[in-house]
Amino acid sequence: GNSVTQMEGPVTLSEEAFLTINCTYTATGYPSLFWYVQYPGEGLQLLLKATKADDKGSNKGFEATYRKETTSFHLEKGSVQVSDSAVYFCALSDRGGANNLFFGTGTRLTVIP
Amino acid sequence: EAQVTQNPRYLITVTGKKLTVTCSQNMNHEYMSWYRQDPGLGLRQIYYSMNVEVTDKGDVPEGYKVSRKEKRNFPLILESPSPNQTSLYFCASSTTDRGLAYGYTFGSGTRLTVV
Repeated sequence: GNSVTQMEGPVTLSEEAFLTINCTYTATGYPSLFWYVQYPGEGLQLLLKATKADDKGSNKGFEATYRKETTSFHLEKGSVQVSDSAVYFCALSDRGGANNLFFGTGTRLTVIP
Repeated sequence: EAQVTQNPRYLITVTGKKLTVTCSQNMNHEYMSWYRQDPGLGLRQIYYSMNVEVTDKGDVPEGYKVSRKEKRNFPLILESPSPNQTSLYFCASSTTDRGLAYGYTFGSGTRLTVV
């Protein structure tokens, strides 16, 4: 079946620190992979995506590379800001399935000045 | 502005009293879906719809109904709500390409409490 496992939170970092949030997946077929961000009191917003192996998704300084050999899609940012404080969700979409997005449990990031 | 609009944002109701959460999108998307978000469980799909009059169950459909009579609207119906349906609900829509959904847009969420 399809599933996503992401690192437990919460994560607290100082401003300008390096961020990594780990995400690994299990899927049948060839999924597309996503990172979504949820700011307090808001819905989820697509942060970045990758649709095939070795693709790198990037947006707003965040990056993630689709690694088929390690079934991973880790989120990274070189220098976090206070405004990056949010909950981050890793997700996959099963190309052969019913277009369901399978989500990880979310990782809460707090960046302190 | 392209968006998915859910109403209400907050709702407190009593066990057994039927309720409907509305969802509307203005992007002419074929695909729409409902998710619930619970602590430690992430988001789980309740129902989805590939187009008008085409709906199907997601991972946790028990206790919910949906309908898709128009392309823009996808209401979520709880015929007899129970406390275990207390949750944060999100509606999402997406474009499709050869039957696959891309570019999900989420609504702002509906926080439902059933007492």
